[in-house]
Amino acid sequence: GAGVSQSPSNKVTEKGKDVELRCDPISGHTALYWYRQSLGQGLEFLIYFQGNSAPDKSGLPSDRFSAERTGGSVSTLTIQRTQQEDSAVYLCASSALRGGSYEQYFGPGTRLTVT
Amino acid sequence: AQSVTQPDIHITVSEGASLELRCNYSYGATPYLFWYVQSPGQGLQLLLKYFSGDTLVQGIKGFEAEFKRSQSSFNLRKPSVHWSDAAEYFCAVGGVYNFNKFYFGSGTKLNVKP
Repeated sequence: GAGVSQSPSNKVTEKGKDVELRCDPISGHTALYWYRQSLGQGLEFLIYFQGNSAPDKSGLPSDRFSAERTGGSVSTLTIQRTQQEDSAVYLCASSALRGGSYEQYFGPGTRLTVT
Repeated sequence: AQSVTQPDIHITVSEGASLELRCNYSYGATPYLFWYVQSPGQGLQLLLKYFSGDTLVQGIKGFEAEFKRSQSSFNLRKPSVHWSDAAEYFCAVGGVYNFNKFYFGSGTKLNVKP
C-alpha cells in the first residue's frame, strides 16, 4: 500500500512569506506527527494528532507555526512570516496504535529554504 | 527530563567489519525504543524496535540491538557492514502507552570504506 506522502518535496520562499506543507498519512493511521530536522540535528517534535482528540502542540516553536488535520487524515503545517531559521526538512509520520505496540512511518519530507 | 544521546556523530568502518552504534536514553517511564535509518534525501525507515520481552531484538538488513536497562542503553549492532549501510542512524525513545511524544537522538552518520 501507499506510504506517507508529503508535498511539496522542496520549497524555496522569501523571508516573511507564508508557506503550507502537506502530509498524507497512511490510510487508517489515526496518529500523525510533524517533526523538524535542521542541518546536522536530530528530529525536533512539533505537533501530534490522535484521532479526534485535541492535538499536542507543545513542540511548536512559536505562534507562527500552526497545523491542522482535516477529517482525521490529511494534515497541513503552516508557517507564517517565515524566517531564515525556519529553513529545515519537515518530516511527517503516521502511526497505527494497536494496544501498546506502535511505530511511526515517515514520509520523505519537505525541504524548506527561506531566503 | 527525557532525552536520547548518540555520542558518536560520525563513524567510519571498513566494509565487512563489525559495527556498533551507541544510544543512551533518559526516560521517566517504561521506554519503547527504536532505531531508524535515513539514507540521503529519504525519510526515516524503521530498523527495529524494543517494546518488551527478549532484550536482544532483531531487525531488518541484518541489524540487531540490545536493551540494557541497567545502563539505559540500546546499542545497534551489525556483524558485517555492507557499503549500502552508509547512512544516518537515529535512536528514539517513546513511552509505552504514551504515544504523543518521541525523543530522537541527534544521529550518527556512518561511512563505509571499501
